[in-house]
Amino acid sequence: GQQLNQSPQSMFIQEGEDVSMNCTSSSIFNTWLWYKQDPGEGPVLLIALYKAGELTSNGRLTAQFGITRKDSFLNISASIPSDVGIYFCAGVYGGSQGNLIFGKGTKLSVKP
Amino acid sequence: GAVVSQHPSWVICKSGTSVKIECRSLDFQATTMFWYRQFPKQSLMLMATSNEGSKATYEQGVEKDKFLINHASLTLSTLTVTSAHPEDSSFYICSARVEGYGYTFGSGTRLTVV
Repeated sequence: GQQLNQSPQSMFIQEGEDVSMNCTSSSIFNTWLWYKQDPGEGPVLLIALYKAGELTSNGRLTAQFGITRKDSFLNISASIPSDVGIYFCAGVYGGSQGNLIFGKGTKLSVKP
Repeated sequence: GAVVSQHPSWVICKSGTSVKIECRSLDFQATTMFWYRQFPKQSLMLMATSNEGSKATYEQGVEKDKFLINHASLTLSTLTVTSAHPEDSSFYICSARVEGYGYTFGSGTRLTVV
């Protein structure tokens, strides 16, 4: 079945540093989504990518959908303490009624 | 827009009892809702897909008689954990697919079975 390999598993960075994380798969996905989850909360959508090669920004966040539709990266520039949380990539498969499959997450810790 | 309201946010129940979790779409109609389970420090695992007016589709390994799903209206889906046991303790999250937006998630329900 489909699997998403997300890396790194965790990151410890200094406030102000840039962050990069990525997801890869052997399967092709229609859509890639990036979510952030705070402790005890549901995931919150950060960026949605629909077209191969698409590069999209949301404030300090930038994500790109790989040209092969098998990978994506998320960059966070000039990190701040509130960026702390777990970031998940998710791929949509199965056509118009597609389901989501999640990566295992990247836990981000930011030191002030 | 595209808000899913999930209740309760946390619940503690005795082993052997049943617990119902509700998810409501507040400003849109959700033909399809998804139910996930998340163990500590792990990712979200899809349990079942809930379709309004029809039976839910369960993922392999998920007991449909234990996790009862009802999607009787376009704005409400419920998950009932029947005869709960400590191993059912987990974080349960619902989600809905929103046209032109993507997938929006509820805030989750922390279930603890004692």
